[in-house]
Formats: sequence, structure tokens, C-alpha cells
Amino acid sequence: AQSVAQPEDQVNVAEGNPLTVKCTYSVSGNPYLFWYVQYPNRGLQFLLKYITGDNLVKGSYGFEAEFNKSQTSFHLKKPSALVSDSALYFCAVRDSGSGTYKYIFGTGTRLKVLA
Amino acid sequence: SQTIHQWPATLVQPVGSPLSLECTVEGTSNPNLYWYRQAAGRGLQLLFYSVGIGQISSEVPQNLSASRPQDRQFILSSKKLLLSDSGFYLCAWSWASGANVLTFGAGSRLTVL
Repeated sequence: AQSVAQPEDQVNVAEGNPLTVKCTYSVSGNPYLFWYVQYPNRGLQFLLKYITGDNLVKGSYGFEAEFNKSQTSFHLKKPSALVSDSALYFCAVRDSGSGTYKYIFGTGTRLKVLA
Repeated sequence: SQTIHQWPATLVQPVGSPLSLECTVEGTSNPNLYWYRQAAGRGLQLLFYSVGIGQISSEVPQNLSASRPQDRQFILSSKKLLLSDSGFYLCAWSWASGANVLTFGAGSRLTVL
């Protein structure tokens, strides 16, 4: 069965500092991995995804994520945080095997960027 | 381009009343469709997904049901709401195959009193 763990309920970081939001996953086959962001009372917005290839994936708004197969992790990073990055971030996984269509999400990590 | 619509945006219903939330996708055909619930502003729980008309997979046994009467229409229903059904319901779609991104609607906030 697929699962995603986001071990931190909240991450606080000062504006201008680098940020990392952690995600680990479990899937029987090869993973498709995603990061989404949610602002209050809104749907989720796609940030980036990993399918295959380069382990460092670049996405929207200056975010990037690093895929680590041995550690089954897909941490979200940004070199310099902005106050406007404050939001709820979700990691998701989908098994790449044929006939599997479920996207499983983590519990979310609230990012708070302090001015 | 593709768009996804979800309604109503907010709903306040008494315990025991029925529920119908509707989701439609424009600009594509044969999408995969999904219903998620988010409780208390936190994690997303997959409720149902559909890979075609009349094909519904249920992930969590509970007081809800889903139907897909048309290719781009996905409906979430309940015959009798419970207090625990309160939450933020999100519809999403993706292309049928490949490492496709899930695209979400704006969500429907349900409060059961």
C-alpha cells in the first residue's frame, strides 16, 4: 500500500533563510512524487513533480525538491524563504505501476515564514 | 485549456439531511476523477476515484457515496449526514495515464450541525 509521511506539523523559518519541508514515502513500485501548496480555504496548487531522471526537480515560485531513492524521501526546498511562502504544503505519491490511479497525500506541513 | 468546477462552495446542513456535491471538468475527455476530504485544515483523505463512467472505487467505507453519470461529471452524495461528515471536500482530475498532475477544484466546505 502507498503511504506518505510528513513528520513536521509546522516549520518556522526566518525570511531570507533556506527552508526544507520533509517528506518520506512508501510504494511498492517506482514512485511518482508531487508537492502541492494550499492557501486558506482554497484548493491545492501544484508545485513540482518527480517522475524519473535527475534527482533534483525544480518547480514553481523558486521551489525545488530532491528525490532520494535509498532514503525514500522527497524533501521540498527553497534557498531563500519569503513571507508569502507561508502556507500548508502537501507531499503526494502515486505508484507508477499500470492500473494504479490513487494519489496518496501526507498530513501536510504548515510553513510559517517570519519577517 | 481545462477547468474544474465544484459547487456549492459552502453548505450548512442539519444532521440527517441529504447531501449532493457536484464537480465538472471542461476541456478534456475521459479524465480520472477524485473526491478527497480535508478535516480541520490538515491531511487529505481519498474518498473515491473514478476511471470512467459508472466506475467508482471507494477507499473509505463511510456514510458517503459517489457517482459518475457523465464522462466529466462526478457527484458526491449522502442520504443522511452525520456530524463527522463536516469538512472541506475537494474534487480533482487528472489525465488517464502517465505521471499526471492532479488538478484540484476550489473546494466545498460542508458544516453539519
